[in-house]
Amino acid sequence: NAGVTQTPKFQVLKTGQSMTLQCAQDMNHEYMSWYRQDPGMGLRLIHYSVGAGITDQGEVPNGYNVSRSTTEDFPLRLLSAAPSQTSVYFCASSYRQGWGTQYFGPGTRLLVL
Amino acid sequence: ELKVEQNPLFLSMQEGKNYTIYCNYSTTSDRLYWYRQDPGKSLESLFVLLSNGAVKQEGRLMASLDTKARLSTLHITAAVHDLSATYFCAVDSTGGGNKLTFGTGTQLKVEL
Repeated sequence: NAGVTQTPKFQVLKTGQSMTLQCAQDMNHEYMSWYRQDPGMGLRLIHYSVGAGITDQGEVPNGYNVSRSTTEDFPLRLLSAAPSQTSVYFCASSYRQGWGTQYFGPGTRLLVL
Repeated sequence: ELKVEQNPLFLSMQEGKNYTIYCNYSTTSDRLYWYRQDPGKSLESLFVLLSNGAVKQEGRLMASLDTKARLSTLHITAAVHDLSATYFCAVDSTGGGNKLTFGTGTQLKVEL
């Protein structure tokens, strides 16, 4: 199993550009989530999904869109990048049943100029 | 709004010493997670605590949960350099394990 994979690993954007961060998992997990990590602030939940076709907002959803058309994929879209979105983005997945431990991807470092 | 506070934020300790990291949270929850993060890396799950009084141990690390006090501790016994990392606690606000609120992390440095 590859686990949770994310692409790209690093991206530089100009203000106003849009892009999609990719996340995929091969563990057949129902739950998937996106977090951003900023220095001194821990991780904050952006959006999450409890299954294909179902998404919901987390703590900091503004400026981001998600969709979940398959169990495996959960892309995060930045509509119009802003410098405040410079961060490290982590995707995570977990089983619906059980202990709920989330498995994290390697992260995407995003710099918005 | 659920708030999760960790202390200390930074911890420098010598090898062989013991120390405890504290995680306080503001609302009722019976699911608490501890993660480790090495610099520039992703998060690795350490412990899942699912009930009041739960205690888990792995090597030199031991985690406990007191849901009545809304407090979890991560105790380090006889620290070694390899334990140097940032440690996060996270609380599940939904009961389903998919909506975590993280503490700000404790950066641990174990001096040789």
